[in-house]
Amino acid sequence: AQRVTQPEKLLSVFKGAPVELKCNYSYSGSPELFWYVQYSRQRLQLLLRHISRESIKGFTADLNKGETSFHLKKPFAQEEDSAMYYCALRNTDKLIFGTGTRLQVFP
Amino acid sequence: DAGVTQSPTHLIKTRGQQVTLRCSPISGHKSVSWYQQVLGQGPQFIFQYYEKEERGRGNFPDRFSARQFPNYSSELNVNALLLGDSALYLCASSFTGDGYTFGSGTRLTVV
Repeated sequence: AQRVTQPEKLLSVFKGAPVELKCNYSYSGSPELFWYVQYSRQRLQLLLRHISRESIKGFTADLNKGETSFHLKKPFAQEEDSAMYYCALRNTDKLIFGTGTRLQVFP
Repeated sequence: DAGVTQSPTHLIKTRGQQVTLRCSPISGHKSVSWYQQVLGQGPQFIFQYYEKEERGRGNFPDRFSARQFPNYSSELNVNALLLGDSALYLCASSFTGDGYTFGSGTRLTVV
C-alpha cells in the first residue's frame, strides 16, 4: 500500500540550528514526492517537489530510493520557519499526505 | 488572480443534515481535487475531477459526492452528516495534474 510516514509530530530547535524533517514513503514504482508547508493561519502551500531539485527558502530535500526517504533539510533554521510541514506522495492524480511535523524555532 | 477560493469558510450543521461546499479553481485550471483534514492528521483525498469527469475517488462512503461545472468550479456534497465528518475540507486545483494549489478550506463542525 502507498503510504507516507512522518515519525515526528513535533521538532523544536533554536534559531541557527540545522533542521531535518523526516519523511519515509512506501510506493511501488517511481515516486513523485512533495513537501507542503502551512504557516499559522495560512493555507497549505507547496514548498518543493523532488523533480525540480530546487532550494526554496533555504530548504532542500533529496529523494533516496534505497532508503525510501525524502527528508527535508535546512542548515540554519529561522524563526519564520515555524510551521506545520507535510510530506506528500503523488499516486496517479491524488496526493497521499503524511500526518505532518510541527517545526518550532525558538529565538 | 484570487487563487483557489472556497465557500463558506465556516459552517455548523446538525447530525443528519446535508451540506454543500463550493470551490472555484485558479483561472485556467481544469482539475479540482477535494481533501478532508481531520484535526491532527494530514489531508485525505476524497475526489478528483478533470474536465467535469470524476478521475479518482478516495476511501469515503457514498454519502460523499461531488461534481464539476463547465466553468471548472466544483461542489462537494455530504449527506446524513455524522459527528466524524467534522473537519477542514480543502479544495486544490491544478492545470495538468501537477503542482496542486490549495484553498484556505471550509471548516465544517457537526453537532
